[in-house]
Amino acid sequence: AQKITQTQPGMFVQEKEAVTLDCTYDTSDPSYGLFWYKQPSSGEMIFLIYQGSYDQQNATEGRYSLNFQKARKSANLVISASQLGDSAMYFCAMRSNYQLIWGAGTKLIIKP
Amino acid sequence: DSGVTQTPKHLITATGQRVTLRCSPRSGDLSVYWYQQSLDQGLQFLIQYYNGEERAKGNILERFSAQQFPDLHSELNLSSLELGDSALYFCASSRGLAEGQETQYFGPGTRLLVL
Repeated sequence: AQKITQTQPGMFVQEKEAVTLDCTYDTSDPSYGLFWYKQPSSGEMIFLIYQGSYDQQNATEGRYSLNFQKARKSANLVISASQLGDSAMYFCAMRSNYQLIWGAGTKLIIKP
Repeated sequence: DSGVTQTPKHLITATGQRVTLRCSPRSGDLSVYWYQQSLDQGLQFLIQYYNGEERAKGNILERFSAQQFPDLHSELNLSSLELGDSALYFCASSRGLAEGQETQYFGPGTRLLVL
């Protein structure tokens, strides 16, 4: 069954430190895509980064990078030099049959 | 700003009523998705349309229906509303369905409160 697991319900990180948010997935599809979204307290859902299953290199977008380990079925989000504005819920999602399968999310709080 | 617009932003109504939520996708996007996010259920996929046709159905109640119009905007109709329907309803859009086109961009959401 297609599934996304985010094992960290919440995290506290000191400002300017790097943070890794965990995401593991389960799928039998030969081709799939993995996504990370950010949801601040204001409620909007913001697309951060995408990794295709056949991409050879890890995706990067500014301070965001995706640590994709296909054999371990993990797609962790790394945020470098965290900022107070990074405090939010973060969701990992996987494309399956034209839908996104969503994880439960990780609440990240950046401490000043 | 994702380019996806949703109206209204907030909606307060009573049990038993019917409401319509509206979504305009990003320019050039053919696919529209509807999600419900409540505190106890997380993010739930409801339904997807591609170029006017229904493509996938998730956990959508029979009291709910949706459609995508020729101009690609979409409406989600919620009827016989119950207290438990109170939630944040998101619309998202993507270019298409093929790999590389499927990134979904979300609108700001409609906060529905059923009293």
